Amino acid sequence: DAKTTQPPSMDCAEGRAANLPCNHSTISGNEYVYWYRQIHSQGPQYIIHGLKNNETNEMASLIITEDRKSSTLILPHATLRDTAVYYCIVRSSMRANSKLTFGKGITLSVRP
Amino acid sequence: GAGVSQSPRYKVAKRGQDVALRCDPISGHVSLFWYQQALGQGPEFLTYFQNEAQLDKSGLPSDRFFAERPEGSVSTLKIQRTQQEDSAVYLCASSLPRGPLYFGPGTRLTVT
Repeated sequence: DAKTTQPPSMDCAEGRAANLPCNHSTISGNEYVYWYRQIHSQGPQYIIHGLKNNETNEMASLIITEDRKSSTLILPHATLRDTAVYYCIVRSSMRANSKLTFGKGITLSVRP
Repeated sequence: GAGVSQSPRYKVAKRGQDVALRCDPISGHVSLFWYQQALGQGPEFLTYFQNEAQLDKSGLPSDRFFAERPEGSVSTLKIQRTQQEDSAVYLCASSLPRGPLYFGPGTRLTVT
């Protein structure tokens, strides 16, 4: 599976949008982009995933560039509870047993 | 609906003891994954089951680690003769084929 690159940390103000970038320049055509987050002392939480088109759910939006080499996770109105480590992961769509390979993620700090 | 549950949530073992960690996946999820997360690191893949078949155990760090899922539902990760470097959070996740992984809260193992 292709590797991803994320900045180590970022912060944003409560109530503002948090835009978390991810580079995946070696992504192949059958690989999805997944986002998970991990709040301190909890298991990773699934947020969203996408292949080519932008996706939105109740938690976030995922914007994937046309060349698919990068993406942005958008939390539209960040709250203090969104403070967490966010992982951008590329995962094959072809194999049923395709595992997730976690990197270091990006630590998002939401300030009051 | 119920998510993935794991027990115990915390386990303290003396070096050399055997431990067994349990995972109850989401009902109907055929895929089950075990991960190990050391302090300050992202989760690392250990092993994967599809129903009762263990299809990938490439991440198990030594032959002291083994996992089973005899009836294709509950899974147990067993660590024999625990060592201090086994101290970590052990995470279980389940999914439908090719679907997102849903993680449990983890078991924090401390080997003294």
